[in-house]
Amino acid sequence: DTGVSQDPRHKITKRGQNVTFRCDPISEHNRLYWYRQTLGQGPEFLTYFQNEAQLEKSRLLSDRFSAERPKGSFSTLEIQRTEQGDSAMYLCASSLGPRSGGTDTQYFGPGTRLTVL
Amino acid sequence: GENVEQHPSTLSVQEGDSAVIKCTYSDSASNYFPWYKQELGKRPQLIIDIRSNVGEKKDQRIAVTLNKTAKHFSLHITETQPEDSAVYFCAAKETGANNLFFGTGTRLTVIP
Repeated sequence: DTGVSQDPRHKITKRGQNVTFRCDPISEHNRLYWYRQTLGQGPEFLTYFQNEAQLEKSRLLSDRFSAERPKGSFSTLEIQRTEQGDSAMYLCASSLGPRSGGTDTQYFGPGTRLTVL
Repeated sequence: GENVEQHPSTLSVQEGDSAVIKCTYSDSASNYFPWYKQELGKRPQLIIDIRSNVGEKKDQRIAVTLNKTAKHFSLHITETQPEDSAVYFCAAKETGANNLFFGTGTRLTVIP
């Protein structure tokens, strides 16, 4: 499968615990995005990486959230001290930027559904 | 930032009929408008997109139109089939920005 993959697909945790999600983008894509989607809503932007650099963070990304893309390939999203309001689908997307010969079209992974009890 | 509104929130059509979903955006600097289809429990899948230098784009039964002056764009699906049933999201991206701003989605049901 050459698409975007995410792991785990589902995560149930207790309030106050830390969780970490992983995203593997399409292999040649240099851009990576994290979005959050709650029931009945469209995805909301969280953060963006170009290669290993985190270039943009939404105000939705509180101090409890941290994301990394250490080698410009896979990325992790960690949520510390989870709250019930963090329950959502966390989607990862990747694209190939225009300067790298791409169209910047974003392709999404299947998401990680987080439930905080 | 950009604000994207999408209507209707639900749409039911008979198989074979056409479906139209409309979106408006607020930022005249937006220049890229993709449409995603999301089936229950699955990833959003790009079905068609349009850039601001084009007024219309068609791919088989799916077409998108863009009116930059009015700041709205629409998805048209002709000869609908039951497998078209899903939630459809429009989105917009501002020039120079990296993220997409999504509408709230339209749940399309095609009745056999």
